[in-house]
Amino acid sequence: GAGVSQSPRYKVAKRGQDVALRCDPISGHVSLFWYQQALGQGPEFLTYFQNEAQLDKSGLPSDRFFAERPEGSVSTLKIQRTQQEDSAVYLCASSSTGVSGYTFGSGTRLTVV
Amino acid sequence: DQQVKQNSPSLSVQEGRISILNCDYTNSMFDYFLWYKKYPAEGPTFLISISSIKDKNEDGRFTVFLNKSAKHLSLHIVPSQPGDSAVYFCAASQSNNAGNMLTFGGGTRLMVKP
Repeated sequence: GAGVSQSPRYKVAKRGQDVALRCDPISGHVSLFWYQQALGQGPEFLTYFQNEAQLDKSGLPSDRFFAERPEGSVSTLKIQRTQQEDSAVYLCASSSTGVSGYTFGSGTRLTVV
Repeated sequence: DQQVKQNSPSLSVQEGRISILNCDYTNSMFDYFLWYKKYPAEGPTFLISISSIKDKNEDGRFTVFLNKSAKHLSLHIVPSQPGDSAVYFCAASQSNNAGNMLTFGGGTRLMVKP
């Protein structure tokens, strides 16, 4: 596709439920990033992939968060045993060049009730 | 502690006038700075960037100024248009190389009144 596609657009999860968020980057983009944006704040870095290799996961807030990109294209962010503080918009971005070449998806809004 | 700060959560400007959005940073390792625009229910879209070797970059109605000694940058929009109404995020990176993460400010909501 022409842009970065994220699904679902909205997800409501009960506390303790596991969720999986999907990101389809722009075809051929080597770099893929996940960011978390809490209400009223700027996006915060979670993790970075170069092709299938997860090179930086320093931003993942706890071991309940796990991300993968097994074939170097589609990526999934999984959150186990969701908590209310996990409620946020999760943004995916891909790039083939430098940081100015980031393209963000529209995000998945996760609400944990 | 926030490494990138946007101290004005909102700004209201009359159509045709100048909008000035400000951003401060604390990390001396930041070498590349960007501004993003975000509409509701959409992801941030890139607007303009500046490398630390420059103090000004201009693209149409948008100009970014960088003051390295003050660790301050600003975005000027002239003339402002109602379609510019959005949330603007300042972001910083240690370089423009692929794979570098962005550190964002908290955003400023710009409202341009017709």
